[in-house]
Amino acid sequence: KQEVTQIPAALSVPEGENLVLNCSFTDSAIYNLQWFRQDPGKGLTSLLLIQSSQREQTSGRLNASLDKSSGRSTLYIAASQPGDSATYLCAVVAAGNKLTFGGGTRVLVKP
Amino acid sequence: DAGITQSPRHKVTETGTPVTLRCHQTENHRYMYWYRQDPGHGLRLIHYSYGVKDTDKGEVSDGYSVSRSKTEDFLLTLESATSSQTSVYFCATKLAGGDEQYFGPGTRLTVT
Repeated sequence: KQEVTQIPAALSVPEGENLVLNCSFTDSAIYNLQWFRQDPGKGLTSLLLIQSSQREQTSGRLNASLDKSSGRSTLYIAASQPGDSATYLCAVVAAGNKLTFGGGTRVLVKP
Repeated sequence: DAGITQSPRHKVTETGTPVTLRCHQTENHRYMYWYRQDPGHGLRLIHYSYGVKDTDKGEVSDGYSVSRSKTEDFLLTLESATSSQTSVYFCATKLAGGDEQYFGPGTRLTVT
């Protein structure tokens, strides 16, 4: 059974610092990995999707890497801003088109 | 955004009563999903649909049923609500052949 872990569960950084969020998964037979952002009381917003054949994906200040063989993905957010404060979730898709989610990392960026 | 709405957005109900949550999408996405989100458990898949009248169970399907009679609507029913079903429920959709799932705003359900 696929298990997805995100450590740490919470992170606090001063504004301007780069954020590094980690995601690990136990079964490397995945089709893709998706990073989401969730604001309090809101739904999930897709940030980046990395196909299993890709090593990284970039969008603006966000960069996500994928190392399938070691079961790890990292989301980098450059030059963090208070507006980046949210919970970040990673999820993997394996056979059956079903997402398995990690528990999330709650990020606070202090002005 | 995939034009996903969920109704109701908030509901309080009593133990033992039936409850139906609705997910409506305007993007003609083939796949639809129901998840629940709980502290300490993250998001877990309840049921999903891969077409009209085609549904299957997810990880935590006990106590829930679903129906999909139209492409745009996916209903989640709690036959007899229990306190353990107090949660936030999210609907998601996916285009056939696509990879990204798009999420609705969620329904907060409290069972007293």
